[in-house]
Amino acid sequence: DQQVKQNSPSLSVQEGRISILNCDYTNSMFDYFLWYKKYPAEGPTFLISISSIKDKNEDGRFTVFLNKSAKHLSLHIVPSQPGDSAVYFCAASAVLQGAQKLVFGQGTRLTINP
Amino acid sequence: SAVISQKPSRDICQRGTSLTIQCQVDSQVTMMFWYRQQPGQSLTLIATANQGSEATYESGFVIDKFPISRPNLTFSTLTVSNMSPEDSSIYLCSVPTFRTDYGYTFGSGTRLTVV
Repeated sequence: DQQVKQNSPSLSVQEGRISILNCDYTNSMFDYFLWYKKYPAEGPTFLISISSIKDKNEDGRFTVFLNKSAKHLSLHIVPSQPGDSAVYFCAASAVLQGAQKLVFGQGTRLTINP
Repeated sequence: SAVISQKPSRDICQRGTSLTIQCQVDSQVTMMFWYRQQPGQSLTLIATANQGSEATYESGFVIDKFPISRPNLTFSTLTVSNMSPEDSSIYLCSVPTFRTDYGYTFGSGTRLTVV
């Protein structure tokens, strides 16, 4: 049972344009949603998060939107830069089986074309 | 946030052998987590390593296959035992940050190939 899903395995965007990465979830118990960025041969690094009680969080070029009724969140990157090329993981946090845990999506490989 | 040193960064192993992966954290942490990322898949939690007690394994993962040690609050090891090609994955350790909205900090990962 995949509780967090990223249905697009890859996305290609022109430099300077907006990149939109999507994520869907099924468990209403998630209290935080996070985006991680991963370069090859490195571990995932935290990018931005949003609490389940908010619908938008912005940090520089990165904005995360949460639609609780649709159980959907998205990450907007604008303007996109070549250094943004990486795999992006959506993750959701909740207390599961008595412990705080992160559940990850499958990732979306973002390629920014010059 | 904590800095994690994970090694080895990669290894190629023969089937039937075992590999031990080490994670060293630069600060004391109560819990450490071990994840697996199979090719093209999400990060899946294997187990939570608690200092001074047995690790807690997620559904589908057992101690005989993935024994974990946690001798102190800054160090943990994960062993992948009796390996088969299906164990070829990236293995990652992680620790919680001090803020829930920051999630976890991850090590750089161990890319394991079993031949």
